[in-house]
Amino acid sequence: EAQVTQNPRYLITVTGKKLTVTCSQNMNHEYMSWYRQDPGLGLRQIYYSMNVEVTDKGDVPEGYKVSRKEKRNFPLILESPSPNQTSLYFCASSLKVSSYEQYFGPGTRLTVT
Amino acid sequence: DQQVKQNSPSLSVQEGRISILNCDYTNSMFDYFLWYKKYPAEGPTFLISISSIKDKNEDGRFTVFLNKSAKHLSLHIVPSQPGDSAVYFCAARVYSGTYKYIFGTGTRLKVLA
Repeated sequence: EAQVTQNPRYLITVTGKKLTVTCSQNMNHEYMSWYRQDPGLGLRQIYYSMNVEVTDKGDVPEGYKVSRKEKRNFPLILESPSPNQTSLYFCASSLKVSSYEQYFGPGTRLTVT
Repeated sequence: DQQVKQNSPSLSVQEGRISILNCDYTNSMFDYFLWYKKYPAEGPTFLISISSIKDKNEDGRFTVFLNKSAKHLSLHIVPSQPGDSAVYFCAARVYSGTYKYIFGTGTRLKVLA
């Protein structure tokens, strides 16, 4: 089944404790992206990757890191999480950067206390 | 600044009637407009798109209308079904060195049986 998977689905952590949210897709997509969803703000792009070893900042990259060492995986790293990073995170992928149809993972709800 | 706005946070419609979800935008450089549907605890799924050079696109019960002069698009669902109850996100694509996607804040549709 073609899908985007994210782990963990739920995470409660404390300020400053490094964490990684994994994202994997099995569709051989070139383009992958991370979004956060906050009440009243819609989905905002954090980082994106057009292919292996090619990543760039989205609209809200502060406090996040990403890497793209393999085509299928695009982990999101929070090296020192803060409470303002409490949010619902979605990973998405599409065939190419120009493909407007994105496939989203199920989401990761992160709470930073 | 919110370039894509969904001014109605929620909408209730009787089963069998028409649902109309609205979206306004400010950037005349958007080249594609998209609608995504999101169920609770799942990621958004692509529903329908429309190119900026078209004024209508239809897919089964779903039709999207684009009024460029008013910078307004709408999604019509006819007839509405209880399974359509979800949050609907409007999104737009713009090219600025790379393709970027701007999402609205979503409208929660409830179809009453």
